[in-house]
Order: sequence, then structure tokens, then C-alpha cells
Amino acid sequence: NAGVTQTPKFRVLKTGQSMTLLCAQDMNHEYMYWYRQDPGMGLRLIHYSVGEGTTAKGEVPDGYNVSRLKKQNFLLGLESAAPSQTSVYFCASVRSSNWPSSNYGYTFGSGTRLTVV
Amino acid sequence: TQLLEQSPQFLSIQEGENLTVYCNSSSVFSSLQWYRQEPGEGPVLLVTVVTGGEVKKLKRLTFQFGDARKDSSLHITAAQPGDTGLYLCAGTLSSGSARQLTFGSGTQLTVLP
Repeated sequence: NAGVTQTPKFRVLKTGQSMTLLCAQDMNHEYMYWYRQDPGMGLRLIHYSVGEGTTAKGEVPDGYNVSRLKKQNFLLGLESAAPSQTSVYFCASVRSSNWPSSNYGYTFGSGTRLTVV
Repeated sequence: TQLLEQSPQFLSIQEGENLTVYCNSSSVFSSLQWYRQEPGEGPVLLVTVVTGGEVKKLKRLTFQFGDARKDSSLHITAAQPGDTGLYLCAGTLSSGSARQLTFGSGTQLTVLP
């Protein structure tokens, strides 16, 4: 089924370890986003990309890096994990040509639950 | 401080009751979206509203965008247990770029049978 696929679904890291979260979409969407979701705080934007080879910082970018080498993939990296990065991470994508219309809306992956101990 | 304030934060009602969830801001939005999220899953888009004063209906759900495009509401008629979930409003600022969505903190709805 078409959509956004995130891997892994769960991960436990020790403080200081590094890892990469993978996001893949097969809808040919131009824009892709990484959010984190914490209790009572909704979703907060970490980084985003408006096209292959371009990335930009969102609201909470510190401690994260991203890359978009291919249009369909958006990678989120944690270089040195900290307990404050324990969260659920969501990737999302959207077709830019649907803006501005009632057809405009993000498609989200099912999330990666990350625990840093 | 959240750019989009949702209320109430938690809501527990009996099956068959009506409810309204509110999403308010002091900022103007180009569009407002509502998502529903179930445990262990990502948010799923319910509706997008783009015109001030717009009203959209999705079966028993009615969505309204404020005239000034600063607020929105979600009304559910005759709630059912299947409506249980986290409801999130999200908006695209008129002054924003890359169509970034700003999310409210969500309303956790529980409908008891």
C-alpha cells in the first residue's frame, strides 16, 4: 500500500550512542518532515525538506541531523543520544501542488518509539 | 506557549452524547487541518479547511473554520466508541514557508459504551 514507511518501529539506545531513523515514501511527494511527539506537547517539527538535496531546521533541531539524498527518502540522525531525546518520532510527507486546497494534508508514518537510557 | 491552543485536553463522555473540541490562536492561518491519532499509529487527516467561515461535514463530524481564520472547532454528534482517539488541530501560518504545520497539543477523547 502507498504511504510513508518508518524503520525501526522501536529502539532503545544508551546515552551517547548514535542511530539513524529511516523514512521512505512512495507517493512522489516533494515535502518531507520529521516531528517528535511528547506527552502534552503535540507534535514539534525537528527538520524538514522541500526537495531532494535540501533540508532546513524546524522548531527543535538541536541534537539532530537530516539528509535527503533521494526524493523518496528522508533520514534523521542522532549523533550522540541523550535521555531528552526519548520520544516518538514521526515522518510525514505532502504533495506541494495540492497547496492551497482542501486536498492538502500530510501523510504520516506509524512512528518510531525511541528510548534513551 | 502553544501557538494553537486546544481545549479541552481530555474528554470522557458516554456513547450517544455530543461534544465540541476547540482550537484557538492569536495568529492567522492559511489553512487548518484536523487529524485523529490512535495508539501506536501516526495521525490521519480528517479534513482541511482553507476559507474563513467554512463548514465541512464528515458523517457525524462537523468542522468549522473561524471567519478571521484564527480558530476552528470540531463537533461530533452522537459519539460512538469508535470515535475514541487523540484529535489534533494543525495550521499553516499565513506568513509561514514550506507549508509547515503547527500542531496543537491535542484532545484525548474517550467514548464509553
